[in-house]
Amino acid sequence: AQTVTQSQPEMSVQEAETVTLSCTYDTSENNYYLFWYKQPPSRQMILVIRQEAYKQQNATENRFSVNFQKAAKSFSLKISDSQLGDTAMYFCAFIQLGAGSYQLTFGKGTKLSVIP
Amino acid sequence: DTAVSQTPKYLVTQMGNDKSIKCEQNLGHDTMYWYKQDSKKFLKIMFSYNNKELIINETVPNRFSPKSPDKAHLNLHINSLELGDSAVYFCASSPFPGRLNYGYTFGSGTRLTVV
Repeated sequence: AQTVTQSQPEMSVQEAETVTLSCTYDTSENNYYLFWYKQPPSRQMILVIRQEAYKQQNATENRFSVNFQKAAKSFSLKISDSQLGDTAMYFCAFIQLGAGSYQLTFGKGTKLSVIP
Repeated sequence: DTAVSQTPKYLVTQMGNDKSIKCEQNLGHDTMYWYKQDSKKFLKIMFSYNNKELIINETVPNRFSPKSPDKAHLNLHINSLELGDSAVYFCASSPFPGRLNYGYTFGSGTRLTVV
């Protein structure tokens, strides 16, 4: 069974500081995709960043970057220069390729609060 | 020009009623999904349709029935609503099976409250 674990239910960070959200996953497959989604109070699910497992280079999107450690099955999200608009729930998720239904499986989320 | 649209955004209804949530996507995606987000914010897949064919049917009560008239629409019908059905329901879509590296595109969710 594929699982995603986010060990930090809640975190806070001062505006303009850097914060790292943790995620680990479990899969027996070698090919998969990893994602971080953001859910602000508006409820919309927004894709923040994505990573293909076959790529060794860590993905970066502006202030958002990941630390992908395939052997450790770890996929953490770093937010630099935190802004008030980053306040949201953050979900780690992945899609396992190969035999199966290509289902997007989510972790339980981390609630991030950016403090002015 | 909304990519994945759900209606209604809010739904308040009494126990025992039957209700439907509609979803439409204009992205040309082949696959559509229904997710349930509970009060603790956990997202769990309920159903998936690929080109009008059911491919995922997780363990949900049979009071929930998805219907896909075409690959751009996936509606969710719920019969005999119960208090425990209160949640936010998300519709999503994706290309299948290629280009899944872009993830799923989600609708804005429907908050269902059963009283």
